[in-house]
Amino acid sequence: AQSVTQLDSQVPVFEEAPVELRCNYSSSVSVYLFWYVQYPNQGLQLLLKYLSGSTLVKGINGFEAEFNKSQTSFHLRKPSVHISDTAEYFCAVRVSGNTPLVFGKGTRLSVIA
Amino acid sequence: DAGVTQSPTHLIKTRGQQVTLRCSPKSGHDTVSWYQQALGQGPQFIFQYYEEEERQRGNFPDRFSGHQFPNYSSELNVNALLLGDSALYLCASRLAGEGTEAFFGQGTRLTVV
Repeated sequence: AQSVTQLDSQVPVFEEAPVELRCNYSSSVSVYLFWYVQYPNQGLQLLLKYLSGSTLVKGINGFEAEFNKSQTSFHLRKPSVHISDTAEYFCAVRVSGNTPLVFGKGTRLSVIA
Repeated sequence: DAGVTQSPTHLIKTRGQQVTLRCSPKSGHDTVSWYQQALGQGPQFIFQYYEEEERQRGNFPDRFSGHQFPNYSSELNVNALLLGDSALYLCASRLAGEGTEAFFGQGTRLTVV
């Protein structure tokens, strides 16, 4: 079975500073990796996904993530955050086939003015 | 394209009652999954429907049941509600196949009193 660990439950950061949200996964087979964002009282919106190929994946809103197979990590980064980036961020994994997503517990990003 | 739509957005039920939540998938999507998101937690997989059959199930009791209709829409039913069933219930849809991304609805906030 797959599992996802998001190492930080909360990350405060000043506006225009860089940020990294960490995600590690475990799986005995190849996986697809996703980052979702959830704003208050909203559903989940896909930020980016890794399926195969280049290990550096670019997503919406200036976010990017790097897949590291040897470290089983998929950390999310943004070089300069905005107040509007304040939200909950979820890392998720799925294996091949018609399988469901497995989520981490989430990281709350708080951007401070 | 309306995306994934869920109804109702909020509801309050009493312990012991039964509830039905509804989901219309994004146009063209044939696979629907349901997730339970407790406050401060990541989404937990309940079950997945494809071709009108439950294909996969998470660690949830039989009080949780579902259905998928020929038009791919889906219902989640919960019987004998407990206080612990209070959560945001998320529906996600995608097209069956490798690497396809899941789109989420806004969720139904269920409060059991």
